[in-house]
Amino acid sequence: QITLKESGPTLVKPTQTLTLTCTFSGFSLSTSGVAVGWIRQPPGKALEWLALIYWNDDKYYSPSLNSRLAITKDTSKNHVVLTMTTMDPVDTATYYCARLVWSGPWYFDVWGRGTLVTVSS
Amino acid sequence: EVVLTQSPGTLSLSPGESATLSCRASQSVTSSHLAWYQQKPGQAPRLLIYGASTRAIGIPDRFSGSGSGTDFTLTISRLEPEDFAVYYCQQYDNSHVFTFGPGTKVDIK
Repeated sequence: QITLKESGPTLVKPTQTLTLTCTFSGFSLSTSGVAVGWIRQPPGKALEWLALIYWNDDKYYSPSLNSRLAITKDTSKNHVVLTMTTMDPVDTATYYCARLVWSGPWYFDVWGRGTLVTVSS
Repeated sequence: EVVLTQSPGTLSLSPGESATLSCRASQSVTSSHLAWYQQKPGQAPRLLIYGASTRAIGIPDRFSGSGSGTDFTLTISRLEPEDFAVYYCQQYDNSHVFTFGPGTKVDIK
């Protein structure tokens, strides 16, 4: 069974850096054709893709947030970590991690339940 | 960056009716790069369709996807009570940039 779970602070102050961890099981991020991505969703709003990291350590970021994001993986611990700098109240959202797999095209086939992060002083 | 627009914003239908959801891209999208997700309140999105028309594992055949270029459609035939949700289209480009549409809410009339 493939599962992903997001963890991190539920409350951060403006200007702080957010660090979120995605802990997964049931697959390996050292396997070709696998990646893990981060997607967020402000309350009542649409999904927004943030970043992803491939099995070969290639990394890609949302162009609008590129300067604030960093994604890393620890294959031995089955972790993917996302850091987002200079947090602002508009960054309040549920943050999801999801597995991205290759089957001709790429697609997010399994998602974590998400973690709500509130940015407030 | 490809911008996705979904219409209508809300679709009010009765169980048993059919739903047609539209996803339009600001520039041509490779059909194989287009996916659809369903999201219910308080839940994570669930993959329905990938490659524009391939149903994901376990998705009933009342869900179908079609389209090419800049216009894509998700059709739900014979709406079941559990189908009332928000639906998002998503694409990625050759630069590995992913974008989601704003969503279409299908609610009970």
